[in-house]
Amino acid sequence: KNQVEQSPQSLIILEGKNCTLQCNYTVSPFSNLRWYKQDTGRGPVSLTIMTFSENTKSNGRYTATLDADTKQSSLHITASQLSDSASYICVVRVIFSGGYNKLIFGAGTRLAVHP
Amino acid sequence: SQTIHQWPATLVQPVGSPLSLECTVEGTSNPNLYWYRQAAGRGLQLLFYSVGIGQISSEVPQNLSASRPQDRQFILSSKKLLLSDSGFYLCACTGDGTDTQYFGPGTRLTVL
Repeated sequence: KNQVEQSPQSLIILEGKNCTLQCNYTVSPFSNLRWYKQDTGRGPVSLTIMTFSENTKSNGRYTATLDADTKQSSLHITASQLSDSASYICVVRVIFSGGYNKLIFGAGTRLAVHP
Repeated sequence: SQTIHQWPATLVQPVGSPLSLECTVEGTSNPNLYWYRQAAGRGLQLLFYSVGIGQISSEVPQNLSASRPQDRQFILSSKKLLLSDSGFYLCACTGDGTDTQYFGPGTRLTVL
């Protein structure tokens, strides 16, 4: 079972509509959770970062939420644009004993925005 | 801010041939450097990371190796490629005082 699971696997929406992507994680303790946007054939780019104590973080039309109790995060995209078509990856930073930490990547949600 | 260069952008190699992928970083010094592989429908898998020149840590046993001959240069190599080495290889760095990872544009490797 993946430690960071994202849903849906893929999503198609019409331009101008809103959408919400989900991320559930089982790893703990975690340091922070990030959402990345990855355009096709490119490297991921960080959108938001939230620590354990943060519930929401916005970056323009992107709003991420975090519920550390249920270990769920969501990424809400408002008034979608064609340029939002990409994969969105949820990444959890896990802390191990001795200060060693590691990133656990979700498989991503592939979003297609159609005109 | 950091800029990460990777080359080549795409590569098609026969099974059994050698491999060398290069990553260079601009805009920061003494960065931590990472090599990831991304398979279709899967999350990024960390292959190697480096905290300094000549210091390489391997996350998973595999057919690949990494080297860091200079502070801002990270190389991924193989002596003999396998079909299973096909994938999208991403180089990343941290070093702006946060733990944000900045990714390069990636190299698409196809082994035939």
